[in-house]
Amino acid sequence: AQSVTQPDIHITVSEGASLELRCNYSYGATPYLFWYVQSPGQGLQLLLKYFSGDTLVQGIKGFEAEFKRSQSSFNLRKPSVHWSDAAEYFCAVFTGKLIFGQGTTLQVKP
Amino acid sequence: EPEVTQTPSHQVTQMGQEVILRCVPISNHLYFYWYRQILGQKVEFLVSFYNNEISEKSEIFDDQFSVERPDGSNFTLKIRSTKLEDSAMYFCASSESAGTQETQYFGPGTRLLVL
Repeated sequence: AQSVTQPDIHITVSEGASLELRCNYSYGATPYLFWYVQSPGQGLQLLLKYFSGDTLVQGIKGFEAEFKRSQSSFNLRKPSVHWSDAAEYFCAVFTGKLIFGQGTTLQVKP
Repeated sequence: EPEVTQTPSHQVTQMGQEVILRCVPISNHLYFYWYRQILGQKVEFLVSFYNNEISEKSEIFDDQFSVERPDGSNFTLKIRSTKLEDSAMYFCASSESAGTQETQYFGPGTRLLVL
C-alpha cells in the first residue's frame, strides 16, 4: 500500500542553523512527491514538488529537497532557518490523490 | 495570486445536525478535492470531484457525506448527521487537471467541532 512516513514528529532548531526534515515513501510506481507547509491558522502551502529530472529540487522560501530512489526518501532541507519557518511540514505522494505523512512540527529557537 | 477560499473558518454544531462546508476553488480549475485532518493526525483524502461527479472517494466518505457543485463557483461538502468523530479540520483543494504533475492548491480550512 502507498504510504508516507515522516519519522520526526517534532524538531527544534536554533535560528540560523541548518534543517533537514525526513520523508520516506512507499509507492510501486514512479513517485510524484510534494512538500507542503502549514502555518498556524493557515492552509497548506506548496513548498516544492518532484516529478522527474534533476533529483534536487528548489522551492520557495529557500527550501530544497532531494529525491533518492534507492532510499525511497525525499528529505527537505534549508541551510539557515528563520524564526518564520516555525510551522508544520507535510510530505506527500500523489497517487491520483495526495497521501500525506504524519507531519513534522518545526520549532525555531531564537 | 488566485487562491482557494473556504467558509466558515470555524463551525460548532451539535451531534446529529447537518453541516455544509463551502469552498470556492480557483476559477479555471476543474478538479476539486476534500481532505480532512483530525487533531494530531495526518491529512486524509476524502473525495475528488470532476465534471459534476465523484471521481474517487475514500472509505471515510460514507453515505453521511456528499459533495456538490451547486453553481459555477462553489464546491460544498455536506455531512448529513454529524458524529463526534467528524470533528476535524476540513480542507478543500483544487487543481487545473488531474495529471500527476498538477499541483493541488489548498484552502485555509474549516475547523469543525461536533459537540
